[in-house]
Amino acid sequence: NAGVTQTPKFRVLKTGQSMTLLCAQDMNHEYMYWYRQDPGMGLRLIHYSVGEGTTAKGEVPDGYNVSRLKKQNFLLGLESAAPSQTSVYFCASSYVSGNTEAFFGQGTRLTVV
Amino acid sequence: KQEVTQIPAALSVPEGENLVLNCSFTDSAIYNLQWFRQDPGKGLTSLLLIQSSQREQTSGRLNASLDKSSGRSTLYIAASQPGDSATYLCAVNSGGGADGLTFGKGTHLIIQP
Repeated sequence: NAGVTQTPKFRVLKTGQSMTLLCAQDMNHEYMYWYRQDPGMGLRLIHYSVGEGTTAKGEVPDGYNVSRLKKQNFLLGLESAAPSQTSVYFCASSYVSGNTEAFFGQGTRLTVV
Repeated sequence: KQEVTQIPAALSVPEGENLVLNCSFTDSAIYNLQWFRQDPGKGLTSLLLIQSSQREQTSGRLNASLDKSSGRSTLYIAASQPGDSATYLCAVNSGGGADGLTFGKGTHLIIQP
């Protein structure tokens, strides 16, 4: 009963490096989301997907790219990491955005030095 | 733009007390509202989901109410226990083109033994 799984759980990057965060869900959910959580700012939506092959921008998309090649996976990429991207990243999924609850992963703590 | 506010930002009470956490939102056109619990360094655990047509939901010692017209929700915790210590987050789903949840900044709750 895995639910939403994020990989990795922790990472330290140097400024300018790239990396990909992986989110996998085993609930056959259509909708998937990436959020970032910063002290004093709460959780903010980065990108989301309403189905396989689709992606859309959220509130804070700059500096990030995403892909949804398979329904169960949603990847978040940082092409050139910046210290401002130091944050805790959460992935979430749901069946249909309007009517059902969202389930969250355990988070990825990323530090960019 | 939807905005969610949670009051108080922090709360410390003795064990056994009943308490109320407040959440307000600026746009009453919502699909649903969800209450989450977040333990330090952990992900978000869904506590209660209230659809826009509902007035309240209950789960064990937790009761959440929704007054959509006034843009308010409350989370009532009965007979508080030290294990209830966590940050409680309120999130609304406004639907539309930009899916995803809009979060409040949370209430940090400490239950004193």
